[in-house]
Amino acid sequence: EPEVTQTPSHQVTQMGQEVILRCVPISNHLYFYWYRQILGQKVEFLVSFYNNEISEKSEIFDDQFSVERPDGSNFTLKIRSTKLEDSAMYFCASRRTGSTDTQYFGPGTRLTVL
Amino acid sequence: GDSVTQMEGPVTLSEEAFLTINCTYTATGYPSLFWYVQYPGEGLQLLLKATKADDKGSNKGFEATYRKETTSFHLEKGSVQVSDSAVYFCALTVPNQGAQKLVFGQGTRLTINP
Repeated sequence: EPEVTQTPSHQVTQMGQEVILRCVPISNHLYFYWYRQILGQKVEFLVSFYNNEISEKSEIFDDQFSVERPDGSNFTLKIRSTKLEDSAMYFCASRRTGSTDTQYFGPGTRLTVL
Repeated sequence: GDSVTQMEGPVTLSEEAFLTINCTYTATGYPSLFWYVQYPGEGLQLLLKATKADDKGSNKGFEATYRKETTSFHLEKGSVQVSDSAVYFCALTVPNQGAQKLVFGQGTRLTINP
């Protein structure tokens, strides 16, 4: 069964450094998402991406964040200058199409900012 | 804005006990409702969903009925197993509204003791 994959599973970085989190969505899916979950808190929407552009973003997704689909298979989230409060689990999700289609999630990348 | 409220956890039960995890929602449109499960060390997996009022979603012995009159989508299972120990998230999305991002509840940690 096709699945969403994410790499790395765990990333440790120093405050102020740039990180890129990578995702490979399911191949025939058209909508892509990033969510994050700070330890002990809710899963929060960050951004959605469709047709090679951002379709919606949350207040969390400020100028430090960017997304890209560089090669037709990968979907990346970049954090330009990490802060301590960016430490969280980051989940990628994809959806095929249609208003009731399910979002399928990857296993997540745990980002630790020191 | 749209929101989901789940019962506070953690919940600890004995094997074969009856499970209910309450979930209520607030939405501006007509949401689709989901339960996702997160097993230890893994990502979010769709457990079940319902897309319109009075629909019942079911999977792996779990059930939830979309109740528009009470804006609820409570998760139930008649006889839980140790393997059901996980964190359960109630979520909604509003079809045909923007990117159809998922809005999650805070999650309920369930532990089943043998």
